[in-house]
Amino acid sequence: QVHLQESGPGLVKPSETLSLTCSVSGDSISNHYWSWVRQPPGERLEWIAYIYNSRTDFNPSLKSRVTISVDTSKNQISLRLTSVTAADTAVYYCASIPQYWGQGTLVTVSS
Amino acid sequence: EIVLTQSPGTLSLSPGERATLYCRASQSVYKNYFAWYLQKLGQAPRLLIHGASSRATGIADRFTGSGSGTDFTLTISRLEPEDFGVYYCQQYGSSPVTFGGGTKVEIK
Repeated sequence: QVHLQESGPGLVKPSETLSLTCSVSGDSISNHYWSWVRQPPGERLEWIAYIYNSRTDFNPSLKSRVTISVDTSKNQISLRLTSVTAADTAVYYCASIPQYWGQGTLVTVSS
Repeated sequence: EIVLTQSPGTLSLSPGERATLYCRASQSVYKNYFAWYLQKLGQAPRLLIHGASSRATGIADRFTGSGSGTDFTLTISRLEPEDFGVYYCQQYGSSPVTFGGGTKVEIK
């Protein structure tokens, strides 16, 4: 059974960079497409990006600000989102769509 | 981008009743790469249906997904207390992956 656990700061200041890590257990990270998905409070889910080995794809609405990467030695996926604003406040999930999801981590953008 | 429109916005039903949820896509979903999820407050989405009609592991057979192309339906034959929450549809066949706005199933 694949288990995903997101981690990172819960509070980020406006204009700074949001950095999150997802730790994967139960399978090799090379076997799956890994996505980041977010959900602002009270809103619908929004897909951010995916990575499969070295291949990546991004939501056009966020592409200019997003970096996604994989560390196979640590079985981790990382997300960086630059120049954050209050609109980036959300619960951030890592997932292997559609089957496996982490529990999510709330990131608040505020000074 | 494929836009997914869910209806109704809210369903008020009693345990034991039948629920029918709809999701319409603005373009045909590639290879029926289409999923339904249930999300409860403060929790991650839980996969119910993938490939439009395949139940995920451990999902009860009262959940049935159907449809293809642009029109999809989730039917819950008899609602159990644990089935109340927000249901989301998703297409993962085209980039960007997109989600519907959700249908809230609440206890009447």
